[in-house]
Amino acid sequence: DSGVTQTPKHLITATGQRVTLRCSPRSGDLSVYWYQQSLDQGLQFLIQYYNGEERAKGNILERFSAQQFPDLHSELNLSSLELGDSALYFCASTIAGGSNYGYTFGSGTRLTVV
Amino acid sequence: DQQVKQNSPSLSVQEGRISILNCDYTNSMFDYFLWYKKYPAEGPTFLISISSIKDKNEDGRFTVFLNKSAKHLSLHIVPSQPGDSAVYFCAASARNTDKLIFGTGTRLQVFP
Repeated sequence: DSGVTQTPKHLITATGQRVTLRCSPRSGDLSVYWYQQSLDQGLQFLIQYYNGEERAKGNILERFSAQQFPDLHSELNLSSLELGDSALYFCASTIAGGSNYGYTFGSGTRLTVV
Repeated sequence: DQQVKQNSPSLSVQEGRISILNCDYTNSMFDYFLWYKKYPAEGPTFLISISSIKDKNEDGRFTVFLNKSAKHLSLHIVPSQPGDSAVYFCAASARNTDKLIFGTGTRLQVFP
């Protein structure tokens, strides 16, 4: 157990629907990062939050949004889902806002859009 | 634009021999490099890192080499063990940024 908890582990939904992925960071970590891993692709950075505020944005679609709550857990909302959104979604956390501290990843949420 | 590239999608090595995983990058602003290991159904786990002020970092069986002029880094695993079989991701970050840029990964298989 890495200390980063992602729920649900698996999600199957239909095109056009909306889903919410949840991430609880490791205790004491203030930064949360979301990554997407599609088939045969690397981990694509989506967005980062630090202590409740958006810190950096990557290749995140407009149909996707995220937020970090006062208790530091984060949610990634995916709407108007398309088949191509099927992927593994990982959350990672660090104690501060910097990659030099190392990321701790959760085990991911596998999203399948049918 | 893939700023971090792992051109070998897979590698097969016999137990006890050396495994060498390669990674190339294009962004000269990158100053910190990391390797992550991923088993099926788990998230990536941090393995080893290197700062751009160094050219080598060693941790047990794992050594990372950085060649800045060639924009190339490699991970050496000696001796390779069956438990090392996993997908290895190279990642990089630039100074004053918080995000890691990952490569596409190399699947290592260590056979007896």
